[in-house]
Amino acid sequence: GAGVSQSPRYKVAKRGQDVALRCDPISGHVSLFWYQQALGQGPEFLTYFQNEAQLDKSGLPSDRFFAERPEGSVSTLKIQRTQQEDSAVYLCASGLTSGGALKDNEQFFGPGTRLTVL
Amino acid sequence: RKEVEQDPGPFNVPEGATVAFNCTYSNSASQSFFWYRQDCRKEPKLLMSVYSSGNEDGRFTAQLNRASQYISLLIRDSKLSDSATYLCVVNKGSAGTALIFGKGTTLSVSS
Repeated sequence: GAGVSQSPRYKVAKRGQDVALRCDPISGHVSLFWYQQALGQGPEFLTYFQNEAQLDKSGLPSDRFFAERPEGSVSTLKIQRTQQEDSAVYLCASGLTSGGALKDNEQFFGPGTRLTVL
Repeated sequence: RKEVEQDPGPFNVPEGATVAFNCTYSNSASQSFFWYRQDCRKEPKLLMSVYSSGNEDGRFTAQLNRASQYISLLIRDSKLSDSATYLCVVNKGSAGTALIFGKGTTLSVSS
């Protein structure tokens, strides 16, 4: 079956431009997460949705970062006035649900969007 | 102290070797534990969920010690295709919340 897809796969932006990154989760997955991965580091959490509700946005680095999932399916991560330090791979992951069983909490990642800010 | 700490690596081993990765985590509220594998310039892929009693999947064995907040991954009979970065991962707190990743340990298996 189809996995998580993300678009675009690569994005080059000039400093100060706004960008929008899209994530299509696995069909039927309730949970959706955004992570940022800098070179040589593990992914770092940005924000979490359960259906359309954004339940945790504690990882968003500044108010220039905004995420939405209006119909509980596709999600968009928007970065306004991009800065060079925003250059990273942005990973989206989805999970079946948020139940108590370990398997419920497994997350499956998309291929990421590699953002380069010049 | 980082929330998830892993062996710094890299680990360079010959084919057929057994290699062990260790990981400690600081958040005692974490309830879900995983090992992910990440190939160069690819996304992380779930390798194993780690159960309280420990679990095995083919050549891979994962162990969890909640009292010591310690997780391990053992790979037996290493293959060239095992070469990758292995990420130790715990969840932030209650079920379904964010994952916290270690920095990863790079494994290189040579013939």
